[in-house]
Amino acid sequence: GQQLNQSPQSMFIQEGEDVSMNCTSSSIFNTWLWYKQDPGEGPVLLIALYKAGELTSNGRLTAQFGITRKDSFLNISASIPSDVGIYFCAGRKGSGNTGKLIFGQGTTLQVKP
Amino acid sequence: DVKVTQSSRYLVKRTGEKVFLECVQDMDHENMFWYRQDPGLGLRLIYFSYDVKMKEKGDIPEGYSVSREKKERFSLILESASTNQTSMYLCASMGAGGPEWEQYFGPGTRLTVT
Repeated sequence: GQQLNQSPQSMFIQEGEDVSMNCTSSSIFNTWLWYKQDPGEGPVLLIALYKAGELTSNGRLTAQFGITRKDSFLNISASIPSDVGIYFCAGRKGSGNTGKLIFGQGTTLQVKP
Repeated sequence: DVKVTQSSRYLVKRTGEKVFLECVQDMDHENMFWYRQDPGLGLRLIYFSYDVKMKEKGDIPEGYSVSREKKERFSLILESASTNQTSMYLCASMGAGGPEWEQYFGPGTRLTVT
């Protein structure tokens, strides 16, 4: 099945630094979701985006739905050690009532105190 | 808050065994999903169900089957476990869909087949 292109694959940063990651596709998406997965746990929803150009924040996290509807990015400001984990983007294509999502490969974030 | 629970966090089975993974959600959601997660491959959809007794194949259904006899419960079945089915299995649920399409995940079951 199709996957989204998520980058970077991994990041190792110093505490306090800002982080940026993105997802791109050759197809148009109607919904973008960003999840975080802590080690050994299931993904937890961070931000949901439903309109092209939409910019949404959740604490230190900000995500945007690209204007072309083919990409989305997630920024984390002033990173802290508990930001460590795997971040996934997920997109929903097309119309209809199907809730099927396509996931990116994930960005593994490590934060050095 | 949505709660999705999975019957086991860790499971070790032998090749050829029949394996049942159970998922239960408490939000009266119509849609439920089973994914497997492998390093570098992200989450891949195995099967999903949009109603009781209804199921549809995802991207990698081979070697798996599912059962949804009650709205809150969605089971993943490995008829004859093989070593290449060693993976993290994640269950998710979602409401009826539109305008919101948010899936909520359980904690995962790490299955090892020896």
